Amino acid sequence: EVVLTQSPATLSLSPGERATLSCRASQSVSNYLAWYQQKPGQAPRLLIYDASNRATGIPARFSGSGSGTDFTLTISSLEPEDFAVYYCQQRSIWPETFGPGTKVDIK
Amino acid sequence: EVHLLESGGGLVQPGGSLRLSCAASGITFSSYGMSWVRQAPGKGLEWVSVISGSGGSTYNADSVKGRFTISRDNSKNTLYLQMNSLRAEDTAVYYCAKLDDSSGWGTADYWGQGTLVTVSS
Repeated sequence: EVVLTQSPATLSLSPGERATLSCRASQSVSNYLAWYQQKPGQAPRLLIYDASNRATGIPARFSGSGSGTDFTLTISSLEPEDFAVYYCQQRSIWPETFGPGTKVDIK
Repeated sequence: EVHLLESGGGLVQPGGSLRLSCAASGITFSSYGMSWVRQAPGKGLEWVSVISGSGGSTYNADSVKGRFTISRDNSKNTLYLQMNSLRAEDTAVYYCAKLDDSSGWGTADYWGQGTLVTVSS
């Protein structure tokens, strides 16, 4: 099973600041990595697929990069609605797995 | 607009059974793989089961293998999860999600709002 490690566990930032979230895989997942945003009481929402492609309707302030084992989600300038939990997920090897999440909260 | 509506959750005793349904609209249902993902209270996300668009291929997490069965009725645009021999650790919100291709290996691009399953005596 591919283990995904996300860091940091919590990121405390102010609106307007840049957020950089990391996801590391225990083995190569090529570019088969997605990022999801989840707010309390809501379903996850797809942000980025295949490491660097923004999903439909996702603002340009969200970007993804990386391949192999190291991936990054960047939010260029945090908006109030961006404070949430972010999960990475790989679909390269079954079982598909999620990381434990990074919580972005307001400083 | 894609819409996924789960139903069938509730309280069940350990060892009991439950069948979840997910009604899809706004898509050509048979063209897409579908999945079930669960989230225990206060915890992260766990992939449970996946099925291809035709229904010919399915995959289950080891934690549910032999107890849960994923299926679909493309004539009714509905996805199912039959859950047997339920355990306390199966307590979670269960989400259905549409994949972005037919194979079952795609990315989950749309999610339902989830249905809560509680396993307790």
